[in-house]
Amino acid sequence: NAGVTQTPKFQVLKTGQSMTLQCAQDMNHNSMYWYRQDPGMGLRLIYYSASEGTTDKGEVPNGYNVSRLNKREFSLRLESAAPSQTSVYFCASSLDRSPLGEQYFGPGTRLTVT
Amino acid sequence: SQQGEEDPQALSIQEGENATMNCSYKTSINNLQWYRQNSGRGLVHLILIRSNEREKHSGRLRVTLDTSKKSSSLLITASRAADTASYFCATDGQGAQKLVFGQGTRLTINP
Repeated sequence: NAGVTQTPKFQVLKTGQSMTLQCAQDMNHNSMYWYRQDPGMGLRLIYYSASEGTTDKGEVPNGYNVSRLNKREFSLRLESAAPSQTSVYFCASSLDRSPLGEQYFGPGTRLTVT
Repeated sequence: SQQGEEDPQALSIQEGENATMNCSYKTSINNLQWYRQNSGRGLVHLILIRSNEREKHSGRLRVTLDTSKKSSSLLITASRAADTASYFCATDGQGAQKLVFGQGTRLTINP
């Protein structure tokens, strides 16, 4: 099993450009999450999806959209990138529909917006 | 707002020594989790301890939970160079249905 995979690993965008971060899991998990990690800030939840067809906002959803394409895939879209979105983005999944259980993380996408 | 806060922010010890890091939180919780993050990698789940449990073990890891003090500690015994990483606690945030992560303790094991 590959676990949680994310593409791309690195990305540089100019302000105003758009892009989609892809995430897939092969563990048949129900819930999926997007976090961002900034120096000294810990991880902050952007959006999560407790099941196919449902998404909910986390702590810092502004400037992002998500799509739970199917049970395996959960994508994060930046419509108009801003320098404040420079961060490392992690996708995670969990078997529980509740976001309070054990989560499995992908390797991350390092995004720089200039 | 921060629910869990780790202490110390950074810890450097010699290989073979024990490492202890602490997590304090503000409101009642259902469970508390510890994760490890190696440099440039994703987080890896270590242990989940429920609010009605006081201690859990996993290999060289021991986690304690004191709900009266709203604190938890992670002890790594007989540390190895491979334990060099950042360690995060995560709790359910103030009744909200999400995990809230602390800022982490950066542990360095010196050979």
